[in-house]
Amino acid sequence: DQQVKQNSPSLSVQEGRISILNCDYTNSMFDYFLWYKKYPAEGPTFLISISSIKDKNEDGRFTVFLNKSAKHLSLHIVPSQPGDSAVYFCAANTGTASKLTFGTGTRLQVTL
Amino acid sequence: GAVVSQHPSRVICKSGTSVKIECRSLDFQATTMFWYRQFPKQSLMLMATSNEGSKATYEQGVEKDKFLINHASLTLSTLTVTSAHPEDSSFYICSARDLARGYGYTFGSGTRLTVV
Repeated sequence: DQQVKQNSPSLSVQEGRISILNCDYTNSMFDYFLWYKKYPAEGPTFLISISSIKDKNEDGRFTVFLNKSAKHLSLHIVPSQPGDSAVYFCAANTGTASKLTFGTGTRLQVTL
Repeated sequence: GAVVSQHPSRVICKSGTSVKIECRSLDFQATTMFWYRQFPKQSLMLMATSNEGSKATYEQGVEKDKFLINHASLTLSTLTVTSAHPEDSSFYICSARDLARGYGYTFGSGTRLTVV
């Protein structure tokens, strides 16, 4: 049972444009959401997170939006840069010290 | 920032042998560490939650006797793949959370295990 889903396995965006990565979840108990960036053969790197009490969190070029009623979150990267090319995972958990449940990942390719 | 060191980064072993993977939190104490497994082009699947000084909590479907986890100190957790088989070949990643630094899980760089 995949509680966190990223329905787009891949996304290609031109440099300078906005990248929008989507994530859906089914467990209404999730109250904290995170986005990670991962390169092949490396561990994930934390990007940005959002608590369920918020609907938006921004950090530089990265903004995460949360729509609790739709159980949907998205990561916006603007402007996209070639160095952003990687696999992006959304993750969720319940409580403050529990395990993370990861989505299936979206491979972002930023082209010149 | 918080750093988690995972070693080795890559290991090749023969079927039937055991392999130990270490995960260390370098600049913080981690009461809880997590072990994940990732198959090619798939998500990170949590295998177990490792608690310092106590038995690990395994996810459903993960063989406890095959994947031995030890968390003897606040900075070290180990995963031992016992009697490895080719189907155990995968990318294993650990993570830890530094409660003193707030909310955020730091991941190790992963270990590519190949069983031949």
